[in-house]
Amino acid sequence: NAGVTQTPKFQVLKTGQSMTLQCAQDMNHNSMYWYRQDPGMGLRLIYYSASEGTTDKGEVPNGYNVSRLNKREFSLRLESAAPSQTSVYFCASARGQGYVSGNTIYFGEGSWLTVV
Amino acid sequence: GENVEQHPSTLSVQEGDSAVIKCTYSDSASNYFPWYKQELGKRPQLIIDIRSNVGEKKDQRIAVTLNKTAKHFSLHITETQPEDSAVYFCAASISGGSNYKLTFGKGTLLTVNP
Repeated sequence: NAGVTQTPKFQVLKTGQSMTLQCAQDMNHNSMYWYRQDPGMGLRLIYYSASEGTTDKGEVPNGYNVSRLNKREFSLRLESAAPSQTSVYFCASARGQGYVSGNTIYFGEGSWLTVV
Repeated sequence: GENVEQHPSTLSVQEGDSAVIKCTYSDSASNYFPWYKQELGKRPQLIIDIRSNVGEKKDQRIAVTLNKTAKHFSLHITETQPEDSAVYFCAASISGGSNYKLTFGKGTLLTVNP
């Protein structure tokens, strides 16, 4: 059982380049999330998908786009990378809406992105 | 939206001492409060959680308390060990709602000195 897998693990981009972070979960979860983690800022939600076919902005969506490709996969795209997007990105998933119990959010291993 | 404040940002204790981390939340509708532990270079992992219908929950050396009236909750670690050294995050959410998402505090770096 792999849980939440995300790729790539490390990436260096030049300012203005584009890239897509891929994420997949095998737990049959409804909800998926993208967070970014910066020193002293905690985990901030970029976008989330409460269920297949829906996406919503989180706290820091500017400069990003997402696609919920199917129930398993949720990708994050940087259209024109900026140095301010240098961060660690975590994909996560949970059973999601309507579940009062057993709704733990599980994280992937993270993707370290540097924009120069 | 929900806002979660976490204190202290850093905490250093001697092995065997207790550690307490405190969080406050703003949305009175929040009903689910997990705590995550993140070791250096690793993913955050759930260590304990509490729901709003419970005032306290324990799991071996770890306990969490919740005061709904004051909108704050705390993590207590007793008999700390060096392997407890990590960043701890509190979070709050409305579980059971149509858009389930966690809002995190900014984290506490706990260092346990041997």
